[in-house]
Amino acid sequence: EAQVTQNPRYLITVTGKKLTVTCSQNMNHEYMSWYRQDPGLGLRQIYYSMNVEVTDKGDVPEGYKVSRKEKRNFPLILESPSPNQTSLYFCASSTGGINVLTFGAGSRLTVL
Amino acid sequence: EDKVVQSPLSLVVHEGDTVTLNCSYEVTNFRSLLWYKQEKKAPTFLFMLTSSGIEKKSGRLSSILDKKELFSILNITATQTGDSAVYLCAEGGGTSYGKLTFGQGTILTVHP
Repeated sequence: EAQVTQNPRYLITVTGKKLTVTCSQNMNHEYMSWYRQDPGLGLRQIYYSMNVEVTDKGDVPEGYKVSRKEKRNFPLILESPSPNQTSLYFCASSTGGINVLTFGAGSRLTVL
Repeated sequence: EDKVVQSPLSLVVHEGDTVTLNCSYEVTNFRSLLWYKQEKKAPTFLFMLTSSGIEKKSGRLSSILDKKELFSILNITATQTGDSAVYLCAEGGGTSYGKLTFGQGTILTVHP
């Protein structure tokens, strides 16, 4: 089944403890991106990647890192999480035109 | 900074009603206008609009873009309880541009 898989789906952590949210797609998509969703703010793009080894900042990249060493994987790294990074995170991918995004199921992160 | 604004932020209707959701945008270089539907999980793609005045339709849903006035509308006729969701619009994408800017979303609730 074609899908985008995120892990973990739920995580509670503490300030400053590094964490990684993994994202993997099995559709051979070139484009991948990360979003956070907060009440009243919609989806905000964190980082995106047009292809392997090509990444760029979205609208809210501060406090996050990404890498794209393989086409299928696009992990989101929080080096030193803070409470304002408590949010629902979505990974998405697409091929060709960057419009018909396939989203992962979301990862709900709480930073205490 | 690119900006996408949706209205209303929430809407409550009864089954059978027709609703119109609005999306206005201010962007440096328009690429495409996208609509997504988000139920209790990940967003799913509805429409992509790039040309003014051409209506896109899918069943009871339709959408149109006005590039002169910088807005789009999403119409849902004969609403059903299954239409209850958050509707998101976004600007950006295309074949070689990775940034997507989403609006805050409109929460639609359809009562039986």
